[in-house]
Amino acid sequence: DAGVTQSPTHLIKTRGQHVTLRCSPISGHKSVSWYQQVLGQGPQFIFQYYEKEERGRGNFPDRFSARQFPNYSSELNVNALLLGDSALYLCASSFYTDTYEQYFGPGTRLTVT
Amino acid sequence: DAKTTQPTSMDCAEGRAANLPCNHSTISGNEYVYWYRQIHSQGPQYIIHGLKNNETNEMASLIITEDRKSSTLILPHATLRDTAVYYCIVRLPNSGGSNYKLTFGKGTLLTVNP
Repeated sequence: DAGVTQSPTHLIKTRGQHVTLRCSPISGHKSVSWYQQVLGQGPQFIFQYYEKEERGRGNFPDRFSARQFPNYSSELNVNALLLGDSALYLCASSFYTDTYEQYFGPGTRLTVT
Repeated sequence: DAKTTQPTSMDCAEGRAANLPCNHSTISGNEYVYWYRQIHSQGPQYIIHGLKNNETNEMASLIITEDRKSSTLILPHATLRDTAVYYCIVRLPNSGGSNYKLTFGKGTLLTVNP
């Protein structure tokens, strides 16, 4: 079975631009979460979606937004990019269970110049 | 979520068991212990989780102390491919959609040497 897929793999943007990152969960998983990982740190939680509804939001500015589609794929949007948004953006999917094991994709490496 | 403490780095010889400790002295009664690892430039990989009892799967074993204040992840026969950052995370179970996020610390960099 295919794992979590993310696109694009790498992306270079300029300050002030916006970016859209995409994620396809493992088949059967209805929950998708997004994390940001800057160099040298552990991943930081951004959003969680289940059944197309936002179920959680981390401590990120309103420039960050996301949505989930009927097929459970998801997009993360970031507006007005800053240099500090340069990071690895990770998507994770899971079944909606008590223990909620999350399975991560390979990530999208965003560089803002 | 309870805070965890892990050593910054550890070394292990290839073929030997790697024992990665984690301290979670403030863990509450219904919080699970999870372990993930992240190989360089890849997404984190789920390894194992447990509540009270020791757990084993095809990747590793998880030993949780009786008071649940610490745990140890055991890789029985470490290989070079096990070189990664290992994260210990404690989290409440999902409850009506809450307690969904994973809070990662800095983890332990395990280096497996030939």
